Parts: sequence; C-alpha cells; structure tokens
Amino acid sequence: SAVISQKPSRDICQRGTSLTIQCQVDSQVTMMFWYRQQPGQSLTLIATANQGSEATYESGFVIDKFPISRPNLTFSTLTVSNMSPEDSSIYLCSVELGANTDTQYFGPGTRLTVL
Amino acid sequence: AQSVAQPEDQVNVAEGNPLTVKCTYSVSGNPYLFWYVQYPNRGLQFLLKYITGDNLVKGSYGFEAEFNKSQTSFHLKKPSALVSDSALYFCAVRGASGGSYIPTFGRGTSLIVHP
Repeated sequence: SAVISQKPSRDICQRGTSLTIQCQVDSQVTMMFWYRQQPGQSLTLIATANQGSEATYESGFVIDKFPISRPNLTFSTLTVSNMSPEDSSIYLCSVELGANTDTQYFGPGTRLTVL
Repeated sequence: AQSVAQPEDQVNVAEGNPLTVKCTYSVSGNPYLFWYVQYPNRGLQFLLKYITGDNLVKGSYGFEAEFNKSQTSFHLKKPSALVSDSALYFCAVRGASGGSYIPTFGRGTSLIVHP
C-alpha cells in the first residue's frame, strides 16, 4: 500500500469562499482520484487526475466548481469553489496501486463544513 | 453498467459471535471485488479483494469474504466479532477488463458489535 496524507483534516468555511485540499502520496502514482462522501452517503467520484493532463470530471461535477491540479506524480489538489452548505462533505483522495493497479487506497479525508 | 447492493443498512452482532455483511454485485464480465472499512472520522481502509483464484479471500483484521459467482455475491465474514470491529463497511466492484476501471461503491453497512 501507500501512505496518503491530506490537508487540512477538517475545516469550517463561510458560504461563498473557496478551500483547497491537498493530497500527498509517498510514492509515484499515475492515477489519483477525488471523491465526495456526503453525510450518511456512499462515495461519489468527482474526477480522475492524471499528471500532465486535464482532470476528467464525472457527470454532475465541473471544473469551475472543483478545479484540480496534478503538478507531479505524488501530489494533487482539489479546490471547492464558491462554497455553499450543500458542499459540506468528506472529501477523499485515492490512488491506484497493486500488481495491476487494480486496487484503490484512500487518504484520511477532509471533513468540510460550510456555514 | 456496474452496480453494488448492500441490502442491510445496519448489522448488529454480539461480541464473540460470527458476523456477515452482505454484498451483491452486477458487472459485465469477470469482477474485481473489494471490501473497505471506515472508522468514525477516518478515511476508507482497504480490507481485502477478489481478483481471481480461490473463492475464499482472507484479509486484514481476521476478515474474509467468499466470492460466489452463481449468486453474484461477495459477503464479508468474520468468525468472532470484536467491539472494535464496529464501523462502516463498503463493498465495491469494477470490471476486470473493458468497461469502467473505476470501482462502484455500495451504500455502506454499519456494523455494530455489542459487548
């Protein structure tokens, strides 16, 4: 597996502001993923981030709202822009590892509360 | 399209008793199947996976899961539950080839182990 860290671990933000979440991995990985887990819900994939290319967003998520950076093979950021209370969630980054990169491993998550 | 069903929102079991958390899936072709555990205020931790080979897969913390192709199931089991096993458990599936390599997660099952 890999050691995956996220910053911040939690934050409370005001409506209309933006928050950037960082994800750091202790090894080089090709694919990084950003998920959202709303209260009491399962995981929803926001986007896939490959180094050196634009992130690929899932249906219902757009770059203007969730811009993503992937400057190298060990780091990515997700920004939640112009936040509203509906953005209150846990945001998780994950990476693919395994003999055939068949398994996703997750960071500890960022718990975001928007007032 | 691939999908996962976890039919129980909550499973209650007494400490020392065997536990089962149910999961059924739908995917084109052969499946890759995964179980993750989420402790309160934490990210998802990988427990075990089925890729190929023996239908009974052993994972972390004494958990195991049995792949049943005819019933399209991948139930999580443990012979003797511990109070510390109380957490949220997620089943996930992805296709082995073709289709989407992104796993689809179930809604999660809350396991409560009573002393």
